[in-house]
Amino acid sequence: EAGVAQSPRYKIIEKRQSVAFWCNPISGHATLYWYQQILGQGPKLLIQFQNNGVVDDSQLPKDRFSAERLKGVDSTLKIQPAKLEDSAVYLCASSLDGTGYETQYFGPGTRLLVL
Amino acid sequence: GDSVTQMEGPVTLSEEAFLTINCTYTATGYPSLFWYVQYPGEGLQLLLKATKADDKGSNKGFEATYRKETTSFHLEKGSVQVSDSAVYFCALSEVQGNNRLAFGKGNQVVVIP
Repeated sequence: EAGVAQSPRYKIIEKRQSVAFWCNPISGHATLYWYQQILGQGPKLLIQFQNNGVVDDSQLPKDRFSAERLKGVDSTLKIQPAKLEDSAVYLCASSLDGTGYETQYFGPGTRLLVL
Repeated sequence: GDSVTQMEGPVTLSEEAFLTINCTYTATGYPSLFWYVQYPGEGLQLLLKATKADDKGSNKGFEATYRKETTSFHLEKGSVQVSDSAVYFCALSEVQGNNRLAFGKGNQVVVIP
């Protein structure tokens, strides 16, 4: 079974530029998550989708971050404009139906460096 | 909101030593508890989980017991190997937050041959 795919794996941009990350979840998984992991910290949820609807975006900085999940499969996370403090690893995860006890499967992440 | 606290600092130990990583949590309800592991160059993967009080999760020789009375979920392994070198994250699913995962800061474990 293929895992969660993410691209690109690495990205370097200058502040105020825009950047987009792509995620393809495990086939059949209804729930998709985007996390931000700053160096030395645990991942923090940015947004959670159930199929193509947003379940939780309370921790997403909406003035600069946006995300969509077209057709309930792939998802894109965008930052525009980027700030220095956005340097982090962006993790995508998916799960079958988003219940509290089920396993979330993580992709390899995209490492972003903002200069 | 709900939160997880892990012991500070990296852990360095010799092969075949006993490993303990402490994890305590604060939650308003009855969360599920998880340990995730991140091996060098790889993504996060579930190591074990427990969904109710007194449950014991186990996998690959690792164990953790959900202790409601002490709000803890400490990770243990009796005899570590070099291949166990990784970063270990404790996490809970927030009952009040659409079951999103709240992670601790993680502990780097280095096993020396």
